[in-house]
Parts: sequence; structure tokens; C-alpha cells
Amino acid sequence: SQTIHQWPATLVQPVGSPLSLECTVEGTSNPNLYWYRQAAGRGLQLLFYSVGIGQISSEVPQNLSASRPQDRQFILSSKKLLLSDSGFYLCAWSPETGTVSYEQYFGPGTRLTVT
Amino acid sequence: SQQGEEDPQALSIQEGENATMNCSYKTSINNLQWYRQNSGRGLVHLILIRSNEREKHSGRLRVTLDTSKKSSSLLITASRAADTASYFCATVGSGSARQLTFGSGTQLTVLP
Repeated sequence: SQTIHQWPATLVQPVGSPLSLECTVEGTSNPNLYWYRQAAGRGLQLLFYSVGIGQISSEVPQNLSASRPQDRQFILSSKKLLLSDSGFYLCAWSPETGTVSYEQYFGPGTRLTVT
Repeated sequence: SQQGEEDPQALSIQEGENATMNCSYKTSINNLQWYRQNSGRGLVHLILIRSNEREKHSGRLRVTLDTSKKSSSLLITASRAADTASYFCATVGSGSARQLTFGSGTQLTVLP
């Protein structure tokens, strides 16, 4: 069966420090991968998605970047964190089904607090 | 931008009652999905309804879709305290669209 891991679970970082959040998927090949951010009490905002190694699409201009160095690994990074980067970060995967997205499967999330 | 908007934003009911949540969207869709999120956790996929379907059932869940009104509803029958969570609708646009667009969610509280 497929599983998705995210770490760390919680993170407190000072403004201006770098960030690296990691997401890995097991039990599937060539998944579509997604990074979302969720502000408190709000819906999910899609940040990045990837359909293959080295292929990253960015949905909103921001202080963050994403990379996919391996088929089942997705990394979210920042060189210098801002206070506004605080939030709950969720990674998700979906099977490769051509051009349309169906169900997505989410990781447990990372709670990031920038102080 | 948010494609789906859920209504109500918060709903509180007694155990055993039915809970109905609504979702409206703006553009044509390929499919619409409902997800559940327990506090501080990831989202769990509940049910998917395609644009050519009008109603779908899964256990105690019933989803309807009205593409003419660009709206969907999620009904949870015989609710339980364990159903307490946030519920989100998410849409996939028609044409080539690998991503979901999520609404802002309905916070459901089921009182024992």
C-alpha cells in the first residue's frame, strides 16, 4: 500500500532563517506531487505541483521554492523565512492519470511557526 | 483563488442528526471531491463525483451535484461524535487540470 511521509511535524524558525521541508511517498511510481499551505481556519492554497523529476510548476509568486530530486521525493525550501510564511504545510500525491487530477492523498503536515 | 465556497462555515448538531454542507463553484468542472480534515491533521479523501453524475453514495455519505447551479452538497446521515472535523470541497477544472482548487471548508461539530 502507498504511504506518504512528511517531516518535521512541527518547526519553529526565526525570521531570515532557511527552510527545508521534506515529503516522500512509498509504494507507487511516478506520482504527481503537491505542496499546499493552509492558514489557520482556512482552506488550502496550492503552492507547487510536480508531474516528474525536475518538473515543478509554481502557482503563486512567493518566498518559497520546490524541488523534486527523486521520483518520490518533494522538497519545499526557502532561503530566508518571512513571518507570513507561518502556516500548516501539506504534501499530497495523486496517481499519474494523464492530464486530469482525481483523488489526492495527503501527508500528516508540518506546522511551521516563524518568530 | 478559491473556486469552491462552502456553506455554512460552521455547523453544530446533536449526535444522530443529519448534517448537510453545501459547496458552490464558479467555472466548469471535470469532477468535484469532498475531503475531511481532523484538527491539525492531513486531509482524507471522502468521495468524488464526476460532472456527468448527479448523485453518489458511500456508506453514510451522500453527495449531489447540480452543474446548472454550479453547486454540490454533502449529506452525512446519523452523525456521530467522531464525524467532528472540517469538510472541504475541491474542484478539478474541465480540460487539462492536474490540480485541485479547495474551498474554505465547513467546521462540523457533532455533540454527544
